[in-house]
Amino acid sequence: EIVLTQSPGTLSLSPGERATLSCRASQSVSSSYLAWYQQKPGQAPRLLIYGASSRATGIPDRFSGSGSGTDFTLTISRLEPEDFAVYYCQQYGSSPSTFGQGTKLEIK
Amino acid sequence: QVQLVQSGAEVRKPGASVKVSCKASGYTFTSYYIHWVRQAPGQGLEWMGIINLSGGSTSYAQKFQGRVTMTRDTSTSTVYMELSSLTSEDTAVYYCARAPFRLGHFDYWGQGTLVTVSS
Repeated sequence: EIVLTQSPGTLSLSPGERATLSCRASQSVSSSYLAWYQQKPGQAPRLLIYGASSRATGIPDRFSGSGSGTDFTLTISRLEPEDFAVYYCQQYGSSPSTFGQGTKLEIK
Repeated sequence: QVQLVQSGAEVRKPGASVKVSCKASGYTFTSYYIHWVRQAPGQGLEWMGIINLSGGSTSYAQKFQGRVTMTRDTSTSTVYMELSSLTSEDTAVYYCARAPFRLGHFDYWGQGTLVTVSS
């Protein structure tokens, strides 16, 4: 199975700053079947990005995804207070679908 | 609007089984797939399996083979996930999530169902 490794484990930033989250796969993710989710405490994950770079419906354009092959990035251009949460990447191009261990984005 | 509404929290003893439901609304039920994902307390997300809502075919993660069964009732637009031979390691929040394709991202999620396994 494809192992996804996210870095950093925790990212401490202030509102207004730029956040860059990384997701590295143990083997190439086919057809860029890579998604990013945001999860807040006590809530279900919410889809942000799919196909490595396509924003889901209703997601603000400060969220962007990039990458291909084994290296993917989620960028939040200017952090808003509501963006502080845990972020997971997921590959869904091969079975089993797998998730990264998550990056916690916390307020500095 | 698309909604996936799951059944309420459950408590089971080790060795027992649990059946969690996920009722879909706001879209054509059989045009999508449903995945089940679980999250142990303070941990990450773990994929369990997928059911094709059109034909009912399933595919399960190897870890859960023989212990999990996913079914659907098209008359009520409800999907079920049953997990048997429970241990304390199965204590987790269980989510259903919709995908537009077999190889698809998870665009809508249920609210989650906490299953606690304790003697």
